[in-house]
Amino acid sequence: EAGVAQSPRYKIIEKRQSVAFWCNPISGHATLYWYQQILGQGPKLLIQFQNNGVVDDSQLPKDRFSAERLKGVDSTLKIQPAKLEDSAVYLCASSLGLERNEQFFGPGTRLTVL
Amino acid sequence: SQKIEQNSEALNIQEGKTATLTCNYTNYSPAYLQWYRQDPGRGPVFLLLIRENEKEKRKERLKVTFDTTLKQSLFHITASQPADSATYLCALVPKDSSYKLIFGSGTRLLVRP
Repeated sequence: EAGVAQSPRYKIIEKRQSVAFWCNPISGHATLYWYQQILGQGPKLLIQFQNNGVVDDSQLPKDRFSAERLKGVDSTLKIQPAKLEDSAVYLCASSLGLERNEQFFGPGTRLTVL
Repeated sequence: SQKIEQNSEALNIQEGKTATLTCNYTNYSPAYLQWYRQDPGRGPVFLLLIRENEKEKRKERLKVTFDTTLKQSLFHITASQPADSATYLCALVPKDSSYKLIFGSGTRLLVRP
């Protein structure tokens, strides 16, 4: 079974530029999550999708971050414009469902904002 | 305020010994708690889930306990091996939430050969 795929693995941008991350979850997983992990901290949930609907985006900075889940499968997370404090690893995870939420994580995208 | 606390200092133990990691939480009412392993440069990997009505869960050399009175979960690795060296994250799902997983900051485990 293929795991969660993410791209790119690394991205370096300057502040005020925009960036987008892509995630392909495990086939058949209804729930998809985007997390931000700052060095030395645990992952922080940004947004949670059930199929193509948003379940929780309470910690998503909506003035600069946006996310969508295309046809309930792939997802993209965008930052526009980026700030220095957005430097982090962005992790995508998926699970069978909301209650069956043993989560499978992708390798993450390491973003550096200069 | 709500907190999930794990030891920020690394746990350094000898191979063959039992490693015990602690997760304490404040002002949460968890429906269940999960433990994950994270290696450098990789995403977390799920290890175990324990529900509020369960006292203990085992999987091979791993054991998790959950004490809702103490508001604490303990994670044990018996007969530890250098390959067990990693960061271990606890995460809980509060009741009355959208099954949102809230992570602690993790504890790094180093197993010396």
